[in-house]
Order: sequence, then C-alpha cells, then structure tokens
Amino acid sequence: NAGVTQTPKFQVLKTGQSMTLQCAQDMNHEYMSWYRQDPGMGLRLIHYSVGAGITDQGEVPNGYNVSRSTTEDFPLRLLSAAPSQTSVYFCASRALGQGKYNSPLHFGNGTRLTVT
Amino acid sequence: AQKITQTQPGMFVQEKEAVTLDCTYDTSDPSYGLFWYKQPSSGEMIFLIYQGSYDQQNATEGRYSLNFQKARKSANLVISASQLGDSAMYFCAMVSGGYQKVTFGIGTKLQVIP
Repeated sequence: NAGVTQTPKFQVLKTGQSMTLQCAQDMNHEYMSWYRQDPGMGLRLIHYSVGAGITDQGEVPNGYNVSRSTTEDFPLRLLSAAPSQTSVYFCASRALGQGKYNSPLHFGNGTRLTVT
Repeated sequence: AQKITQTQPGMFVQEKEAVTLDCTYDTSDPSYGLFWYKQPSSGEMIFLIYQGSYDQQNATEGRYSLNFQKARKSANLVISASQLGDSAMYFCAMVSGGYQKVTFGIGTKLQVIP
C-alpha cells in the first residue's frame, strides 16, 4: 500500500518562481488537504477538497492554488514563491463518512521547501 | 469556526511515569471528532487515538487514553508508563462541519527523561 505519496521531498526555489507540489493517494479517499508546518505554529490548513471538482480554502490560502480533477490527485501550486512560503508541506487524505468523523487523516512524508 | 488550543509548548516526564497533554477545542457544531497525532523527530505524522463527540466512553488505545470532558470542551491525551520513544511533538486535531475540515493545534513537545 503506497498510501499518500508526496513529491518532491526537498525543493529550493528563488523568489518569484512557481512550482507544483504533487500529492497522490491510492485509498479512494474523498477528502484531501494541504497543510504547512512552521515552528511554533503547528499545522495550518492551506486548502482542502471533499471530492473531484470541489475545493475550499483553509486558514492560509493566499499564494497557493489547488485543483482536484481526480479522486487520487491533489496538487498544490505556488504561483510566485516568496520567502514567507519557506515551510514543510504535508498532504493528507481521509475517508468521509455520513455523520461519522472517526476516519483519521493519512499523511504523506512531507516536502521541505526553501524559498531564497 | 473551529479552534484547537494546546497551551503547553513543552513538557518533561520521567520514564515510566504518566503524563497528560492538554487540548481544548471550540466549535459550534454539535457533532465533531477529536484526534491526537504524534510527530517524532523523523517528521512523519502518526495517528494515535480518536474520540467522537457522542461517544459515551473515553477512548483508549494501548498506553494512550483520552480524557474527554465535553462540558469543558477538553480532550486531554494521557500517556501511561512513558517510554523514551514517546519523545515527540504531539498534536490535537478536530474534525467538524459538513465538509469535515480538520484543524490542528500548535502542538506540545514532550521529552521523556531516563
């Protein structure tokens, strides 16, 4: 079982460059999400999706775009990288249940992004 | 809006002792779920335990238990018989709402002392 696969593991960008962080899951999960982790700030939700064609903003969406064209994939795009986007990024997925919340998030291994 | 508060940036515990990590939450939804995750220094996120808002009993998973006090909106994690391998960051998280968005707290760094 691959679970949630994130690529790349490490990335260095210059200010103003764009890039896409890839995320794929093979568990047929409806819910997929992106978080960024910064010291002392925990995991902050960037964007999330509850199915193909449905996305919504989290707490810190500015500077990031997402789309969900398939159940399996949920890429995160940085349109014009800024030093403030230096962070560790996690993709996570979970199954949705009608009125039930007990399905945990499954995480990818993270992407460490540095913007200089 | 949903919010998770973890007020202990760092905690120390002696090996083999029990430790409680605090988590309070806020949501206007009557139905919600609470999770705890562990993040060791290697960086992966490990699911530990889940508590549903309508669950009658506190959740337990091995050495982990969740002290759920609904009226106080708290969901504290209790780790019994601490081990050196328990040294890690611990995150409390909540899921609620129609879209079942998951929100995390800022975490508590636990260090187990031999």
